[in-house]
Amino acid sequence: NAGVTQTPKFQVLKTGQSMTLQCAQDMNHNSMYWYRQDPGMGLRLIYYSASEGTTDKGEVPNGYNVSRLNKREFSLRLESAAPSQTSVYFCASRRLAGGPQYFGAGTRLSVL
Amino acid sequence: DAKTTQPNSMESNEEEPVHLPCNHSTISGTDYIHWYRQLPSQGPEYVIHGLTSNVNNRMASLAIAEDRKSSTLILHRATLRDAAVYYCVDNYGQNFVFGPGTRLSVLP
Repeated sequence: NAGVTQTPKFQVLKTGQSMTLQCAQDMNHNSMYWYRQDPGMGLRLIYYSASEGTTDKGEVPNGYNVSRLNKREFSLRLESAAPSQTSVYFCASRRLAGGPQYFGAGTRLSVL
Repeated sequence: DAKTTQPNSMESNEEEPVHLPCNHSTISGTDYIHWYRQLPSQGPEYVIHGLTSNVNNRMASLAIAEDRKSSTLILHRATLRDAAVYYCVDNYGQNFVFGPGTRLSVLP
C-alpha cells in the first residue's frame, strides 16, 4: 500500500534552473496539497487542489506553479529556482473535507 | 490570519501520560483542529482531529476547550517511539495552518 509517493527524494539545482516535483496517491483521495518546510519550522501551504481540475493558492504560492494532472497526480513546478526555495517539500492528500491528511516522505531541494 | 502557538519542547518519562498544549487564538466555529507528528527525515503523520467535542483513537486523545481557543493532545502512556515533533493545526476549508511544533523527548 504505497499511499503518497513523491519523486525525486533529493535534488540540487542551480539558480535559474527549472524542475518539476511529482506526487501521486493511490488512495482515491479528492484533495491534494503541496507544502514547504524550512529548517526548524512548521509546514506552510503552497498550493492545493480541492478536486480534479481545480487548483488554488495557499499561504506561499509565489515562484511556484501546479498541475492537477488527474485524480492521482499533482505536480509542483519551479520555473526559475532561487536560493530562497531551498527547502523540504511535502505532498499530502485527503479524501473528505475536514478529514485527515496523509503525507509523502518529502523532496529535499537545494538551490545553489 | 489563523495562528496557533505551542511550547518549543517538552519532556516526559516513559510510560507516563503526556499533555501537549496548543493555543488557537484566531480559530473560528467551523475550523477543525488537527494534530500531526513528525519523526526526523519523515513526512508528518496524522494523529487525531476534532471539531468541538473531545475525541479518542488508538493513538491518543484530544481535549478541546469549550471556547475552542485551546486544545490538548494526550498520550496516555508515552513510549520511546513517541519522541517526535508534534504539530497542532487549524484547518479551515482547504487551508491548513501549522503551529511551530513541540519537540517531545521521552526519557527511559
